[in-house]
Amino acid sequence: EAQVTQNPRYLITVTGKKLTVTCSQNMNHEYMSWYRQDPGLGLRQIYYSMNVEVTDKGDVPEGYKVSRKEKRNFPLILESPSPNQTSLYFCASSRPGYGYTFGSGTRLTVV
Amino acid sequence: KNQVEQSPQSLIILEGKNCTLQCNYTVSPFSNLRWYKQDTGRGPVSLTIMTFSENTKSNGRYTATLDADTKQSSLHITASQLSDSASYICVVSARETGANNLFFGTGTRLTVIP
Repeated sequence: EAQVTQNPRYLITVTGKKLTVTCSQNMNHEYMSWYRQDPGLGLRQIYYSMNVEVTDKGDVPEGYKVSRKEKRNFPLILESPSPNQTSLYFCASSRPGYGYTFGSGTRLTVV
Repeated sequence: KNQVEQSPQSLIILEGKNCTLQCNYTVSPFSNLRWYKQDTGRGPVSLTIMTFSENTKSNGRYTATLDADTKQSSLHITASQLSDSASYICVVSARETGANNLFFGTGTRLTVIP
């Protein structure tokens, strides 16, 4: 089944403790993106990647890192999480010119 | 500035009734417009996609319209069901290459009650 898989689905962590949210797609898509979704603000792009080793900042990149060493994986790294990074995170992938397929989301709480 | 605005923010309707959700955009140059359905806590799922030359597209009980001249789109839901309760997000693509050419509305939260 074609899908984008994120892990974990839920995560509670403490301020400053490094964490990684994994994202994997099995559709051989070139494009991958990370979004965060907050009430009243909609989906905002954090980082995106157009292919292996090609990444760039989205609208809200501060406090986040990504890497794209393989086509299928696009992990999101929070080096020193803070409470304002509490949010619902989505990974998505697509081929150029096609719509995005979204993962099921990761609900992150930073206390 | 490229923006996508949706209305209403939220809507409550009785099961079996019809409803229409609105999307206005200022994205330029325009490439296509998609409507997504997002169940609570889940990822958005694509319902319809329309390009500049299309002014209506249906997917079961969902019908999307596009007026590229006025930069407006609507999503009409016919004979609503309880399972239609979700957020509906309008997403507009700009006609430029890259994975950062999507502009999201904040969504309309639809609640269908028995």
